Amino acid sequence: ETGVTQSPTHLIKTRGQQVTLRCSSQSGHNTVSWYQQALGQGPQFIFQYYREEENGRGNFPPRFSGLQFPNYSSELNVNALELDDSALYLCASSFDLSISSPLHFGNGTRLTVT
Amino acid sequence: DQQVKQNSPSLSVQEGRISILNCDYTNSMFDYFLWYKKYPAEGPTFLISISSIKDKNEDGRFTVFLNKSAKHLSLHIVPSQPGDSAVYFCAASQAGGTSYGKLTFGQGTILTVHP
Repeated sequence: ETGVTQSPTHLIKTRGQQVTLRCSSQSGHNTVSWYQQALGQGPQFIFQYYREEENGRGNFPPRFSGLQFPNYSSELNVNALELDDSALYLCASSFDLSISSPLHFGNGTRLTVT
Repeated sequence: DQQVKQNSPSLSVQEGRISILNCDYTNSMFDYFLWYKKYPAEGPTFLISISSIKDKNEDGRFTVFLNKSAKHLSLHIVPSQPGDSAVYFCAASQAGGTSYGKLTFGQGTILTVHP
């Protein structure tokens, strides 16, 4: 059973640039959620994709967008990067929207915006 | 607006003793609660969960207690082991419909278990 994998592991970008982060969900999982974890804070929900459709969004501006592909992998895109976007971005997958299927997290992508 | 709070940034415990990690929440719509453990350079790992219809759930050395009237939950680890040293996050969600997976996390508590 393959776990959740994220790429790249680290990334440095300049303010104003755009970035794409990628996530492969765990085998058999069809739901992907993205979280932002700032230093010293808990993860904060960005949005969730279920069967290729966005299924809820947290308090993030529209410059944060995403996609889920037919194989249930996912991308997080951030436009017009700001210094405050520097954080660990975590992807988590699960099976359906079921309580009995806890979120399985990847190791994250560390984004630094300078 | 911090809906889930872990007021202790850190906790230090001797090996073999009990570790008690606490979490408070303010949103009365939350009805499902989870604990995750996170090691450096790794993603959070699910530990244990509890539904609001229960007040206790046990899994091996880990027990979660829920006090709905106080909007408080706690994680007990007995006995504590050095390998338990990690950051522990409390998380909450509304279990119904399409809300599951949209977790609200606390800030985390760093647990250090000394040999």
